[in-house]
Amino acid sequence: LAKTTQPISMDSYEGQEVNITCSHNNIATNDYITWYQQFPSQGPRFIIQGYKTKVTNEVASLFIPADRKSSTLSLPRVSLSDTAVYYCLVGVEDSSYKLIFGSGTRLLVRP
Amino acid sequence: DTAVSQTPKYLVTQMGNDKSIKCEQNLGHDTMYWYKQDSKKFLKIMFSYNNKELIINETVPNRFSPKSPDKAHLNLHINSLELGDSAVYFCASSQEGRGGMSAEAFFGQGTRLTVV
Repeated sequence: LAKTTQPISMDSYEGQEVNITCSHNNIATNDYITWYQQFPSQGPRFIIQGYKTKVTNEVASLFIPADRKSSTLSLPRVSLSDTAVYYCLVGVEDSSYKLIFGSGTRLLVRP
Repeated sequence: DTAVSQTPKYLVTQMGNDKSIKCEQNLGHDTMYWYKQDSKKFLKIMFSYNNKELIINETVPNRFSPKSPDKAHLNLHINSLELGDSAVYFCASSQEGRGGMSAEAFFGQGTRLTVV
């Protein structure tokens, strides 16, 4: 059974680095791993995407091990405005191809 | 200009009614999607369309039907609404996909549907 799992919640303080891991044991061979951020009453917003190893952009880094069965979103020096829910998204091969969002990680950044 | 816009933002209706939610994107993307987010914030894909062709159709009730009059629009029609249909529905678009969102997807603001 394809599952995409994330921690339910995480707490952090301003200025700290936050790492959120998503497990995706049935990821499709050719699919990317994508992470989204969602604020209340808004649609998800793209953060970063990668296929393997490490990807970095202006807001985050994404670490993907060789087996690609997990990925870690790294947010450097979080601020209060990073308080949101973070979702991973992968395509998985189960009985058929499916797009699956992780269950979401609610990040709370404290002053 | 809003990249992906959906209307209405809120929809309250009685059980058994038929309703539609409209979605338009002005990004020139090839693929559009509908997602459902339930009260526990789980996001699930319902449909995706690529160049007017359905390429993913997850196991949603056939009371739900996507309609794409052109590449920039993907509307969601729901017949015989049930209490369990209450959720937030998001439209999204991306430049490519085999049904996969291998490219960055842009989401609308969501439509909160409440069935009473």
